[in-house]
Amino acid sequence: KAGVTQTPRYLIKTRGQQVTLSCSPISGHRSVSWYQQTPGQGLQFLFEYFSETQRNKGNFPGRFSGRQFSNSRSEMNVSTLELGDSALYLCASSYRGSGDSPLHFGNGTRLTVT
Amino acid sequence: DAKTTQPTSMDCAEGRAANLPCNHSTISGNEYVYWYRQIHSQGPQYIIHGLKNNETNEMASLIITEDRKSSTLILPHATLRDTAVYYCIVDGTGGFKTIFGAGTRLFVKA
Repeated sequence: KAGVTQTPRYLIKTRGQQVTLSCSPISGHRSVSWYQQTPGQGLQFLFEYFSETQRNKGNFPGRFSGRQFSNSRSEMNVSTLELGDSALYLCASSYRGSGDSPLHFGNGTRLTVT
Repeated sequence: DAKTTQPTSMDCAEGRAANLPCNHSTISGNEYVYWYRQIHSQGPQYIIHGLKNNETNEMASLIITEDRKSSTLILPHATLRDTAVYYCIVDGTGGFKTIFGAGTRLFVKA
């Protein structure tokens, strides 16, 4: 079974631009979560989608948004990029999105904002 | 804040068992204990999880105390490739808002 696929793998953007990252979950998984990882803050939860609905949201500004499509694929968008948005963005899928359902992570998109 | 407490780092000799402890004293009845690991520049990898009983799979064993306030991940025969950051987290039902702490950096030495 194919794992979680994130594209692109690397991205370089300029301050003020916007960016869209893509995540294809494991087939059959309905929950997709997004995380930001930086050396200073570690892994931080952004949001989680289940059956096209955002169920949980972390403490990030409104510049960070996401969506999930009917095939469970998900995108996240960051508008008006800031230098501090440079990070590894990780997507994880889960079968049920509930307690007895492990997260399966992709290898992330490394975003550099200059 | 993370609901778990783990040592910052640990060393283990190659071929020996690595025992990674985790405290989760505020765990509630419907929360599972999960272990993940992250090797540099890769996404975290799921290892094992459990609710009350001890669990074993091809990668590791998970020992949960009877009061569920702590657990231990056991890698029975550590190899150099097991060098990674290991995260212990607790999570319940109703959708994930998983909070990762700093984890334990395990160094496996030859």
